[in-house]
Amino acid sequence: KNEVEQSPQNLTAQEGEFITINCSYSVGISALHWLQQHPGGGIVSLFMLSSGKKKHGRLIATINIQEKHSSLHITASHPRDSAVYICAVNNHDMRFGAGTRLTVKP
Amino acid sequence: NAGVTQTPKFRVLKTGQSMTLLCAQDMNHEYMYWYRQDPGMGLRLIHYSVGEGTTAKGEVPDGYNVSRLKKQNFLLGLESAAPSQTSVYFCASSYGGSGVPDTQYFGPGTRLTVL
Repeated sequence: KNEVEQSPQNLTAQEGEFITINCSYSVGISALHWLQQHPGGGIVSLFMLSSGKKKHGRLIATINIQEKHSSLHITASHPRDSAVYICAVNNHDMRFGAGTRLTVKP
Repeated sequence: NAGVTQTPKFRVLKTGQSMTLLCAQDMNHEYMYWYRQDPGMGLRLIHYSVGEGTTAKGEVPDGYNVSRLKKQNFLLGLESAAPSQTSVYFCASSYGGSGVPDTQYFGPGTRLTVL
């Protein structure tokens, strides 16, 4: 069983919809990261959090340490949000989920 | 600032050939990492370095060697390439100076095919 599990694997939404991507992990962590991988392959860090909630523009990330669960929310989704979203956790090193492929249709 | 750069962007090797992937960062980061990304799997750490002259094994180090002779460069070597090493390789760096987890900055990736 992977240490970091993401759901769903694939997600298709209509422009304007509210998106939620989930991440569960099975190890103790010092921080959790959300990354975005563009269709061209580049990877960008969106958030790093160890408790509570962070917000950047239309993106919101939350984490529940007791339940070992994090969510990434996108409000008012747009086609340019189409990408693979990756959850990763810091344990002794970084462990990554397999990613959630999001497609937002106009 | 260029951030994190990787050379080359693409490469095709025959089984048994050797090659070196170069990663360079201009952010004065202490920590550098090499990952591989395979379809359906998450990124996996190959080797990492917490400073000039230091290297350590990650989750999947077999078949790879690394060197960090200069702070800004982290080299990944394949001595005898195998088809199982066909993958996309990403380099990343982070500040690391605070001793707590940091945001990692990724290079654009190198697509390697071993025939």
